[in-house]
Amino acid sequence: KAGVTQTPRYLIKTRGQQVTLSCSPISGHRSVSWYQQTPGQGLQFLFEYFSETQRNKGNFPGRFSGRQFSNSRSEMNVSTLELGDSALYLCASSLMDRGLNGYTFGSGTRLTVV
Amino acid sequence: QKEVEQDPGPLSVPEGAIVSLNCTYSNSAFQYFMWYRQYSRKGPELLMYTYSSGNKEDGRFTAQVDKSSKYISLFIRDSQPSDSATYLCAMSASGGSNYKLTFGKGTLLTVNP
Repeated sequence: KAGVTQTPRYLIKTRGQQVTLSCSPISGHRSVSWYQQTPGQGLQFLFEYFSETQRNKGNFPGRFSGRQFSNSRSEMNVSTLELGDSALYLCASSLMDRGLNGYTFGSGTRLTVV
Repeated sequence: QKEVEQDPGPLSVPEGAIVSLNCTYSNSAFQYFMWYRQYSRKGPELLMYTYSSGNKEDGRFTAQVDKSSKYISLFIRDSQPSDSATYLCAMSASGGSNYKLTFGKGTLLTVNP
């Protein structure tokens, strides 16, 4: 059974550019969440989607956005990149609504902004 | 005060030791409690999942939740070098529009052969 797939695995961007990260959840999982992980702040919630609807958004600036498609695949976009956006971006999916049986995480996309 | 506090360690133990990892939290709305293990350069892997208070055991792992004290624990028996990783506690509230996990910062564990 395939796990949560995130592409690309690594990305280097320049300040001011924008980036799009992709996530394919486990087949049948309809809830997809995104998290940012940094050494200083740990894992912080970005947003959660269920059936193409964003139901919750974390405390991040509007430069961070996302969407979910009808096949449950999700993308997140960061515009006008800043050095502080360098982080591991993790996608997680869940079979049950609200992730009540726990979330399965992908291996993440490591974004470096230079 | 942070919603979830976790001692970052690092924690170093000999192989075979019993490991105790803990988190405290301040949000009384948290009802779902999880422990994740994260190896270097990998995403977090769900180890244990508990609803409300009580204990749950799975092999060498035991999770405990004490909601009255707002305190959760993960015990690892007969620890192995392969258990060396960062352990993250995570929590979620029920109801309303809360669809997110709130994580502790993680405890780095090293099990020495």
